[in-house]
Amino acid sequence: SQTIHQWPATLVQPVGSPLSLECTVEGTSNPNLYWYRQAAGRGLQLLFYSVGIGQISSEVPQNLSASRPQDRQFILSSKKLLLSDSGFYLCAWSLDTDTQYFGPGTRLTVL
Amino acid sequence: GDSVTQMEGPVTLSEEAFLTINCTYTATGYPSLFWYVQYPGEGLQLLLKATKADDKGSNKGFEATYRKETTSFHLEKGSVQVSDSAVYFCALSLPKGGNQFYFGTGTSLTVIP
Repeated sequence: SQTIHQWPATLVQPVGSPLSLECTVEGTSNPNLYWYRQAAGRGLQLLFYSVGIGQISSEVPQNLSASRPQDRQFILSSKKLLLSDSGFYLCAWSLDTDTQYFGPGTRLTVL
Repeated sequence: GDSVTQMEGPVTLSEEAFLTINCTYTATGYPSLFWYVQYPGEGLQLLLKATKADDKGSNKGFEATYRKETTSFHLEKGSVQVSDSAVYFCALSLPKGGNQFYFGTGTSLTVIP
């Protein structure tokens, strides 16, 4: 069966520091991968999605970037965090037009 | 453009009450429709889905019917429990550009004993 992992689970970082969040999927090949952000009490904002290795589409201009170095690995990065980057970051995967399956999320607090 | 509109919350119900959370959509083409549930501090879990008109998705006592004529996918449960307290998201999926998903803003449900 397929599983999706995210780490770390929680992270507290100072403003201006770098960021790296990792997402890996097991049990499937060539999935579509997604990064979402959820601000406190708000809905989901799609940040990036990827249909294959090295293929990244950005939905929202920001100081974040994403990379997909391997088929089942999706990384969200930033060179310098802003206060507004605080939130709950969710990774998800899907196959073709099927359901999206979400990871457990990473709670990021920028101080 | 493609979008999902769902009922604003928060919703507070007594245990065993009937639940309806409204969801309507706008889409070009033929979307699949979903309800996801998010418990506090967790990721989203698929609750149910329907892939074509008149399909009914059901799970854990929740139901939703894909109504193409009214572009709706309302979530219902006959008797809610305290454990149903969560945020519920309606979503649609379109087969374009990597399977684009569109989520509603979420409806927070609190069930009190």
